[in-house]
Amino acid sequence: DAKTTQPPSMDCAEGRAANLPCNHSTISGNEYVYWYRQIHSQGPQYIIHGLKNNETNEMASLIITEDRKSSTLILPHATLRDTAVYYCIVRVETSGTYKYIFGTGTRLKVLA
Amino acid sequence: NAGVTQTPKFRVLKTGQSMTLLCAQDMNHEYMYWYRQDPGMGLRLIHYSVGEGTTAKGEVPDGYNVSRLKKQNFLLGLESAAPSQTSVYFCASSLGGEQFFGPGTRLTVL
Repeated sequence: DAKTTQPPSMDCAEGRAANLPCNHSTISGNEYVYWYRQIHSQGPQYIIHGLKNNETNEMASLIITEDRKSSTLILPHATLRDTAVYYCIVRVETSGTYKYIFGTGTRLKVLA
Repeated sequence: NAGVTQTPKFRVLKTGQSMTLLCAQDMNHEYMYWYRQDPGMGLRLIHYSVGEGTTAKGEVPDGYNVSRLKKQNFLLGLESAAPSQTSVYFCASSLGGEQFFGPGTRLTVL
């Protein structure tokens, strides 16, 4: 069963910030949140990940709530090329092995 | 550095036929994964491996077998293909953190 819940779709104007929410209310203390995106039918592409603290890289920022039950991916200046399906994923650790549980994702459409 | 490659890119099978999908990575990653993606859905884990010679079941393992005889290769087998196995198959590898995905194999079973 997916451990994350995301809205099925969102629109964003080009040049504006895109804020993509994710609920992961059953996340455990040592489970990381990962974000990937998938453009058309290509293989998913890594964006960012975090455990407790907010994270930022050249692609995006990740804001995780203090209780870790939800997070938001921020694309600061969305472009048309950011149109994709965005997946919020929980990395589950079991006996030293890692599995990544995908949800159904949010289809982001960036509008000109 | 090719990353993760998958062979073949496309395949059409008849019900009952068998085939093997090959995933190869050149990043010396310990972990490798096979996923399937059905239309409008997220990726579902079929099988995974935490190192050479090891395999484990994921969420939807029925009808599939895997082998990891070499660290760089992870094979996914369908012994008797069924129409329900029509899907896009993705392979991924990692060191335990970021996953790197291959371009996918589009499989149709008639």
